[in-house]
Amino acid sequence: KQEVTQIPAALSVPEGENLVLNCSFTDSAIYNLQWFRQDPGKGLTSLLLIQSSQREQTSGRLNASLDKSSGRSTLYIAASQPGDSATYLCAARGSNYKLTFGKGTLLTVNP
Amino acid sequence: NAGVTQTPKFQVLKTGQSMTLQCAQDMNHEYMSWYRQDPGMGLRLIHYSVGAGITDQGEVPNGYNVSRSTTEDFPLRLLSAAPSQTSVYFCASRSPLLRDYGYTFGSGTRLTVV
Repeated sequence: KQEVTQIPAALSVPEGENLVLNCSFTDSAIYNLQWFRQDPGKGLTSLLLIQSSQREQTSGRLNASLDKSSGRSTLYIAASQPGDSATYLCAARGSNYKLTFGKGTLLTVNP
Repeated sequence: NAGVTQTPKFQVLKTGQSMTLQCAQDMNHEYMSWYRQDPGMGLRLIHYSVGAGITDQGEVPNGYNVSRSTTEDFPLRLLSAAPSQTSVYFCASRSPLLRDYGYTFGSGTRLTVV
């Protein structure tokens, strides 16, 4: 059974800092890994999708990497802003179409 | 495109009542699924469907029924609500089956069972 872990559970940084969120998964036989953002009381917004054959994906100030062999993915946020404050979730997709989610990292960026 | 639309956004039920959470997508997605999100538990898969007429159970299916009569709609039914079903429910879709462009989620239904 796939298990996804996100570390840290919470992170507080000053504005402008670069930061890394970590995601690990136990079963390396994944099709892809997707990073989401969730604002309080809201739904999930997709940030980046990395296919199993890819090493990284970039969108603006966000960069996600994937190392299947070690069962790890990281989300790098450059020059953080208060508007980046949210919960970040990673989810691994297996061959059965199902997504397995981590419990998320609550990010607070202080002005 | 509207994406994935969930209704209602909020609902309060009494124990034993039944209701249907609606989910509709206009992207012609084949795969649709329901998740519940609880504090400390993360998102857990309830039921999913890989196409019209095909449904299957996820991780926590007990107490919930689904059907998929059309590609667009995937309703979730609570036949006899229990306080343990108090949660936030998310519907998600993805397509196509053979080329995965990632999942799209609805904005959620916040359900309270008293």
